[in-house]
Amino acid sequence: EVQLVESGGGLVQPGGSLRLSCEVSGLTVSTNHMNWVRLAPGKGLEWVSVINVGGNTFYGDSVKGRFTVSRDNSKNTVFLQMNNLRAEDTALYYCARDRGGDGYSHFDYWGQGTLVTVSS
Amino acid sequence: VLTQSPGTLSLSPGERATLSCRASQSVSSTYLAWYQQKPGQAPRVLIYGTSNRATGIPDRFSGSGSGTDFTLTISRLEPEDFAVYYCQQYGRSLYTFGQGTNLEIK
Repeated sequence: EVQLVESGGGLVQPGGSLRLSCEVSGLTVSTNHMNWVRLAPGKGLEWVSVINVGGNTFYGDSVKGRFTVSRDNSKNTVFLQMNNLRAEDTALYYCARDRGGDGYSHFDYWGQGTLVTVSS
Repeated sequence: VLTQSPGTLSLSPGERATLSCRASQSVSSTYLAWYQQKPGQAPRVLIYGTSNRATGIPDRFSGSGSGTDFTLTISRLEPEDFAVYYCQQYGRSLYTFGQGTNLEIK
C-alpha cells in the first residue's frame, strides 16, 4: 500500500521559515516525480514544486526563490524548505506523486496534507 | 492558464452535470486531468489523458475535449458526487490547475 505522510506544518510569523517533510512508503521517491501542491483558504489548488526523477527541481512563480524542494533517498522522504514566508503562503500543503515515467503526468497518490499558517 | 466554468453549479441528485475547462493555449489531450476534492480530504484523480477513467472511478464520470476546450460530465449525480472539481494540465509549463468548480446540491 502506498502512503504519503506530510509533517512539519505549524504557525510561523511573516518572514519566518518552515521545513515540511513527506515520508513515503510503498514507492521509491528517487524513481518518481514528487510534487508539493497547496490549498489556501477559500482558494483552489496551486502547484508549488516538483523534484523529478533526475533530481531537477522546478517551482511555481509565487514561491520561486523562497522555497526549495529536496529528497533523502535513504529515508525515502521529500522535503520542502520554505523561507521568507508570507501571509499568502498560508495553506494546506499536500505531497503528491506524478504517475508519469519519462514525462510528466497526473497525480495519482496524495498525502492528507500539513497545515501552514503564516501570521503575526 | 486554465479557466473553469461555472464557478458554482447547483444541481439535484439524478441530474446530469457538465463542467468546463478552457485553456489559454492549446493543450495536448494527453495532458489533461480532472480531480475531485471533498472537504477534509485530499484530491482524487478521476480522469487523465482527457478521457481515461482512473482506477475505481465509476463510469458515470466521463471526460472529453481537445485543443483549448475540455469537459467533465457526470451522467447521473449521486449524493457523494457533490464536491469541488479541478482540471489540471501537465507537460507544458509543468503543471497548472484550474480554479475549480463547486458542485453543490440544489
